Amino acid sequence: AQTVTQSQPEMSVQEAETVTLSCTYDTSENNYYLFWYKQPPSRQMILVIRQEAYKQQNATENRFSVNFQKAAKSFSLKISDSQLGDTAMYFCAFISYGKLTFGQGTILTVHP
Amino acid sequence: EAQVTQNPRYLITVTGKKLTVTCSQNMNHEYMSWYRQDPGLGLRQIYYSMNVEVTDKGDVPEGYKVSRKEKRNFPLILESPSPNQTSLYFCASSPSGGDYTDTQYFGPGTRLTVL
Repeated sequence: AQTVTQSQPEMSVQEAETVTLSCTYDTSENNYYLFWYKQPPSRQMILVIRQEAYKQQNATENRFSVNFQKAAKSFSLKISDSQLGDTAMYFCAFISYGKLTFGQGTILTVHP
Repeated sequence: EAQVTQNPRYLITVTGKKLTVTCSQNMNHEYMSWYRQDPGLGLRQIYYSMNVEVTDKGDVPEGYKVSRKEKRNFPLILESPSPNQTSLYFCASSPSGGDYTDTQYFGPGTRLTVL
């Protein structure tokens, strides 16, 4: 069975600063993808970034980037130049052959 | 507009009264799935479907039923709801991508309360 662990229930950061959210996973699969989803107070699930496990290069999307360490089964999210609109719950997720597994979530608060 | 819709968005019901939460997508996606979200547990997969008439259990299928008779619709059925099924429910869909690892697009969620 695959598991995803987010060890930081809550994080906070000052506006314009950088923050890193941690995620580790466990699987015996070789073909999988990893995601970070954002859930603002509206409850909508919004894709932030996606990483293919077979790619060594870390994915980036504007201010969002990941540090993917396949051997260590680690997949952290770095948010640069944090904005007030980044305040949300962030979920790390793992998918393999249709089964999507989420971590417990990290509540991120960006302070002005 | 490409989207996943769920109805109802909010529902309060009583123990044992059968209910159905509908899910529909207009993107011609092969894959659809249901999740429940509970505090401290993240989202957990209930059932998923890789195509019409093909469904499989996720991590927490007990107490739920699904059917996939048409590609666009994937209803979630609670035959006899109980208070422990009080939760926030999400439907999602994605193209298959051949190995069912494509990005999933989520509906807006259904807040269910079972008294």
